[in-house]
Amino acid sequence: QQQVKQSPQSLIVQKGGISIINCAYENTAFDYFPWYQQFPGKGPALLIAIRPDVSEKKEGRFTISFNKSAKQFSLHIMDSQPGDSATYFCAASRSGSARQLTFGSGTQLTVLP
Amino acid sequence: NAGVTQTPKFRVLKTGQSMTLLCAQDMNHEYMYWYRQDPGMGLRLIHYSVGEGTTAKGEVPDGYNVSRLKKQNFLLGLESAAPSQTSVYFCASRLLGGTYNEQFFGPGTRLTVL
Repeated sequence: QQQVKQSPQSLIVQKGGISIINCAYENTAFDYFPWYQQFPGKGPALLIAIRPDVSEKKEGRFTISFNKSAKQFSLHIMDSQPGDSATYFCAASRSGSARQLTFGSGTQLTVLP
Repeated sequence: NAGVTQTPKFRVLKTGQSMTLLCAQDMNHEYMYWYRQDPGMGLRLIHYSVGEGTTAKGEVPDGYNVSRLKKQNFLLGLESAAPSQTSVYFCASRLLGGTYNEQFFGPGTRLTVL
């Protein structure tokens, strides 16, 4: 079963535009929601993460918006740059089970110059 | 610090062959994980370990075995490879404790089973 659903599968944005990727989760026990960025041929790397006790977290051009009642969270990339072109994964974890991550299916972002 | 390293980077196997993937970390992390990444499916957890000498099953454990004889190493074994195991395999590690500690990923091993 897919406990974290991610959309869209792919996204093309012009340089300077806003990229938005959405995720929805089912398990209300999840209490940590990271976003990972992956470049071709590399392993995923943590980009930004949020806890459910806040509705928004911003780090530079990257913002997570979190809606606990709707069980949804999203990544916004402001002023998107060609260097942001990568695959983005949302994920969720809960206490226990070694804090294993449940990943979304990924979004391939292409930022056109 | 090298972080998380994986050996080999690429491998081609024939159906029925066996192999072992090695993951090593130099961050003194207690937790280690093996994931597989397939197109359109994200990363799925195969097995994980909470410390030396311990292992546990993840979401997709069938056809794989693991061992954690040393804290810094986590081995993933395929006893009889099948084409369905063609995938990119990632190892990750995490520090014990701390709800929001980050998982650090290795560069991956691309495995093709013919």
